[in-house]
Amino acid sequence: EIVLTQSPGILSLSPGERATLSCRASQSVSSSYLAWYQQKPGQAPRLLIYGASSRTTGIPDRFSGGGSGTDFSLTISRLEPEDFAVYYCQQYGRSPWTFGQGTKVEIK
Amino acid sequence: QVQLVESGGGLVKPGGSLRLSCAASGFTFSDYYMSWIRQAPGKGPEWLSYITGSSSYTNYADSVKGRFTISRDNAKNSLYLQMNSLRAEDTAVYYCASRYYDSAGYPHDVFGLWGQGTMVTVSS
Repeated sequence: EIVLTQSPGILSLSPGERATLSCRASQSVSSSYLAWYQQKPGQAPRLLIYGASSRTTGIPDRFSGGGSGTDFSLTISRLEPEDFAVYYCQQYGRSPWTFGQGTKVEIK
Repeated sequence: QVQLVESGGGLVKPGGSLRLSCAASGFTFSDYYMSWIRQAPGKGPEWLSYITGSSSYTNYADSVKGRFTISRDNAKNSLYLQMNSLRAEDTAVYYCASRYYDSAGYPHDVFGLWGQGTMVTVSS
């Protein structure tokens, strides 16, 4: 199975700052079948990005995804208070679909 | 409104069984592939299984293959997960989730709608 490794584990930033999260795959993810989710405490994950760079409906344009092959990233251009959460990447290029272990974006 | 609501979680002894349910509303349930995903405390999500809209095909993660069975009843807008031979490592919040369709109607094997989850604890 494809193992996804996210880094850093914790990102301590202030509102207004830029956040860059990394997701590295153990094998190439075909057709950039890579998604990002946001999860807040006590809630289910929420889909933000699919196809490596396509935002879902209603997701602000301060969220952007990029990358291909084995290296992907999620960038939040200017952190808003509601963006502090845990973020997970997921690959769906090969079964079993797998998730990373998460990056927590916390308030500095 | 569009939503998924899981039920059936609880405390079960190792080796025991449990059946989870997921009630869908607000969308044409039979059109959607559906999945079960779990998340152990402090861990990332783990996809477990999916089923096609017509139940013609199912797929499982190796960790649950042969122990868990996914099924659905489109007449009742419901998804199920029968869990047998439960182990301590099956302890997690279990979510049902639907496949995502983009604005052009193209399907993507990501999870656009999630339920609120139901907790399963396997302990003696």
